[in-house]
Amino acid sequence: GAVVSQHPSRVICKSGTSVKIECRSLDFQATTMFWYRQFPKQSLMLMATSNEGSKATYEQGVEKDKFLINHASLTLSTLTVTSAHPEDSSFYICSARRAGATEAFFGQGTRLTVV
Amino acid sequence: EDQVTQSPEALRLQEGESSSLNCSYTVSGLRGLFWYRQDPGKGPEFLFTLYSAGEEKEKERLKATLTKKESFLHITAPKPEDSATYLCAVQAGAGGTSYGKLTFGQGTILTVHP
Repeated sequence: GAVVSQHPSRVICKSGTSVKIECRSLDFQATTMFWYRQFPKQSLMLMATSNEGSKATYEQGVEKDKFLINHASLTLSTLTVTSAHPEDSSFYICSARRAGATEAFFGQGTRLTVV
Repeated sequence: EDQVTQSPEALRLQEGESSSLNCSYTVSGLRGLFWYRQDPGKGPEFLFTLYSAGEEKEKERLKATLTKKESFLHITAPKPEDSATYLCAVQAGAGGTSYGKLTFGQGTILTVHP
């Protein structure tokens, strides 16, 4: 199968601090990874697309200096929420896709709470 | 702009009561239409990919179909463990500004009562 592992599953941080979320493809090489944000009872909103070894492409309205994305290897991408504020509290989900594939497989998500 | 609309927003079924979920879409050159299942507090779980009108795919009690404007997810004799949010997403083909990205619908919350 195609397994994507996301860590941590839950994190609580203080306002003004930064938090890093990891997304790993466990049994395949992910040339492309995606980061989404999901508010309660809403669908997934794409934040950014990252290709291994390249800078991430951010969707309109997403602050790239606030949401730092690194995709340094074919199995790992990280999302760092910098200077987090309560309005950044949300469910963050990553997905990963092989080169040439259409299907993307999702991690289990990270519930971020900023207090 | 690619758009995906799912209906109904919520669906309550009795165990064994078959039904269908709808996903209407507009996309600049469809590369693929995807169905995912999402349980509360979890990431989406991949179910199906459909590529062209007329295509059908089945998995256990689920069957997905595709036309040029919409997709249906048919659930036959559902069980309580089928309760989840079902998400539909489209991926645009080459040439569009949203190439490679998934655009998701709002989802249908399915509840199956025993």
